[in-house]
Amino acid sequence: TQLLEQSPQFLSIQEGENLTVYCNSSSVFSSLQWYRQEPGEGPVLLVTVVTGGEVKKLKRLTFQFGDARKDSSLHITAAQPGDTGLYLCAGTSNTGNQFYFGTGTSLTVIP
Amino acid sequence: NAGVTQTPKFQVLKTGQSMTLQCAQDMNHNSMYWYRQDPGMGLRLIYYSASEGTTDKGEVPNGYNVSRLNKREFSLRLESAAPSQTSVYFCASRTSGAKNIQYFGAGTRLSVL
Repeated sequence: TQLLEQSPQFLSIQEGENLTVYCNSSSVFSSLQWYRQEPGEGPVLLVTVVTGGEVKKLKRLTFQFGDARKDSSLHITAAQPGDTGLYLCAGTSNTGNQFYFGTGTSLTVIP
Repeated sequence: NAGVTQTPKFQVLKTGQSMTLQCAQDMNHNSMYWYRQDPGMGLRLIYYSASEGTTDKGEVPNGYNVSRLNKREFSLRLESAAPSQTSVYFCASRTSGAKNIQYFGAGTRLSVL
């Protein structure tokens, strides 16, 4: 059972466009993380959001945690080719020991 | 600083063969993890170890065993490989406390024929 569903699964956009990736679940998580993964490498943590309604910004990336702590979104402004990669969300269990990953969104930014 | 090191990087097995995937971290983390990644399914947790001497099942433990050899090393064993175990396997270690950051290795690409 996949606890976290991401949409869209694939996204191909032109450089300079904006985009939003969604991560949805019926479960409540103590925190939610976003990772980016490049081909042939492991995922790398981008951000952790902990509080319902929390918004964090990382340069052109904006992350939001839903009020009920069941969903999250990642918005990229003025996408660049360097943003290309697989974006994964992951919810943390109450104990903090387990992470439940989403299905992933593969982003391609065309120059 | 090497971080998390996985060996081997690639492996091809025949159905029924056994093998052990090795993972070592040099960040003095207590918690370590094994995941598998399949297309369209993100990462799924196989086993984890919250501290040296303890291991627990994750979402998809069937067909696998693990050993937390010491604080640095956490190995994953396939006793009798099956084609359904063809996947990319990632090991990770995690910081303690509020930061809760997982650091991943580069992965082992396993094909079972």
